[in-house]
Order: sequence, then C-alpha cells, then structure tokens
Amino acid sequence: AQKVTQAQTEISVVEKEDVTLDCVYETRDTTYYLFWYKQPPSGELVFLIRRNSFDEQNEISGRYSWNFQKSTSSFNFTITASQVVDSAVYFCALTSNAGKSTFGDGTTLTVKP
Amino acid sequence: NAGVTQTPKFQVLKTGQSMTLQCAQDMNHEYMSWYRQDPGMGLRLIHYSVGAGITDQGEVPNGYNVSRSTTEDFPLRLLSAAPSQTSVYFCASSYSRASNTEAFFGQGTRLTVV
Repeated sequence: AQKVTQAQTEISVVEKEDVTLDCVYETRDTTYYLFWYKQPPSGELVFLIRRNSFDEQNEISGRYSWNFQKSTSSFNFTITASQVVDSAVYFCALTSNAGKSTFGDGTTLTVKP
Repeated sequence: NAGVTQTPKFQVLKTGQSMTLQCAQDMNHEYMSWYRQDPGMGLRLIHYSVGAGITDQGEVPNGYNVSRSTTEDFPLRLLSAAPSQTSVYFCASSYSRASNTEAFFGQGTRLTVV
C-alpha cells in the first residue's frame, strides 16, 4: 500500500519569511508520480507541480521550489518570501503507475501580514 | 471550455435516501476519479476510471457505485445515504491514467446526510 505523510498539520509565518512544507511518501512501485496541490479558503484545488519518480531534478517556479529526494522518499515544497495570498491548505499526493492516488492530510499554512 | 463540472454544489439528504452526484468534463480526458474530503483530512479516492466502460475501486468505495458509459461523464451514486457519508466530494479528470499529468478538479459537492 502507498502512503503520504505531511507531518506538519499547521504552520504560521509572518509575511516575507521562507517556509518549507514537508512530504514523505511510501510506495513499493518503481514508477510513480508526485504532486503538490493548493486549496485556498475558497475550496477549489489548484495543481502546483508534478514530479516523476525517475526525475529527481529540483524545480523552481518563481517563489516556489521543490526538492525531490528518492533516497529519503521526500518531496518538500518551499515558498520563498511568503505572502498573505499563500495562505491555504497544501496537499502532497502520490499516484501509482496504475492510476491510484493517495493524498496526505494536508498542511494549513497561514501567512500573517 | 468548462473543465470539470460537478452538480449539485450543495445537497442535504435524509438517511437511507439515494442520489447521484454528477460529474462531466469537456476536455476529452481518459481518466476520471471521485474523492471525498473530510475535515482535517486529505482527499481519499472512492472510485476511478481509466476510460469509458472501465471502473475500479479506490481506498473508500463502500456505499458508492460508479459507471462510465461515456468519456465525458462519471456519475457517483450513493445507494443508501448514511451520516458517515457527510463530506465534500470532488470529481477530477486528467488526460491519461493520471500517472503523468495533473488532475483538474471540479468545484466540489458539499453533501450533508441527516
């Protein structure tokens, strides 16, 4: 069975601070896919990034960056210079090659002005 | 291009009633899935479909039925509603088997069973 753990239930930072959201996963598959989604207070789910298990290259997109390490089964997400609009629940998810998806319980990020 | 459309947005059911949550996508996506989201928890997969005529169970399938007669539609049926099924339901679709593409989500259906 596959599992995704987001150990940080809630994080609170002050605007302009950097913040890292942790994600640790378990799977027996050699091919799998990792995702991060954002769920703002309005409730919709917004795709942020996808990573394939065979591509450990880290990625930066503006203030967002992702660190994928297979050796530690982690896929962490960093927001640099956080803003109030970053306040949301962030979900890490793993999809098997067969198509089954497992989500973590989410990390609620609050960015205070 | 409407994306993924879920109806209704809100629903209150009495215990024992049945109903169907509708999900439609206009992106010609092969893969569709249903999740439920309970307070303080992530999304849990109920059922999914890798193409028309093919469905499979996810993590929490009991009490729910699905069918996929067309590429566009993937309805979720609650056979006999129970208070434990009070949740927010999300439908999602993606281009392939969700393996290497992002999922597009509907706006969600907030279901209360009394």
